Amino acid sequence: DAGVIQSPRHEVTEMGQEVTLRCKPISGHDYLFWYRQTMMRGLELLIYFNNNVPIDDSGMPEDRFSAKMPNASFSTLKIQPSEPRDSAVYFCASSFSGALSPLHFGNGTRLTVT
Amino acid sequence: AQSVTQLDSQVPVFEEAPVELRCNYSSSVSVYLFWYVQYPNQGLQLLLKYLSGSTLVKGINGFEAEFNKSQTSFHLRKPSVHISDTAEYFCAVGPGGSEKLVFGKGTKLTVNP
Repeated sequence: DAGVIQSPRHEVTEMGQEVTLRCKPISGHDYLFWYRQTMMRGLELLIYFNNNVPIDDSGMPEDRFSAKMPNASFSTLKIQPSEPRDSAVYFCASSFSGALSPLHFGNGTRLTVT
Repeated sequence: AQSVTQLDSQVPVFEEAPVELRCNYSSSVSVYLFWYVQYPNQGLQLLLKYLSGSTLVKGINGFEAEFNKSQTSFHLRKPSVHISDTAEYFCAVGPGGSEKLVFGKGTKLTVNP
């Protein structure tokens, strides 16, 4: 089992550019979560999916953020346009049957917006 | 709304010493409680969880935690730490019926030789 795979590991972009973060969950997991980690705010849930359907996106900070899960093996988090305050580590996590089951986290994407 | 407070941002200890990482939560409903560990440049992984039953929960790597409902605490303990336990530890609360875990800010445990 390869675990949750995120790409890229690091992303440096200029303010105003579009950024796309990618995630491949563990096969067979039916929940997928996107988290953002910053020093100031800690770990925040942005959005989660169940069976590829977005269930709760109340944590998405602004309309600049969007997430999709076109199939069970792939999800994207897009920021357009990006701003310096979006700089953070973004984690994808998957689980079998929800947050009461262990969340399996990817290694994260460190985003720097200059 | 639920919240989690991890009382210590950093805890330095010597190898083979005992350690306790403190976590308090607030919630108006029944909760589930978790401890996750994050090693450098990695994602989080589950150490242990409390869903119901015995208030003393044992996890991986010799860690355990005790749920105290009256004090709304879920402190993490290990009787003897190793250098390899150096990591950041996160306490999380999940209100019953919700998939939305709320994480604390984390405690950085540094084990020195």
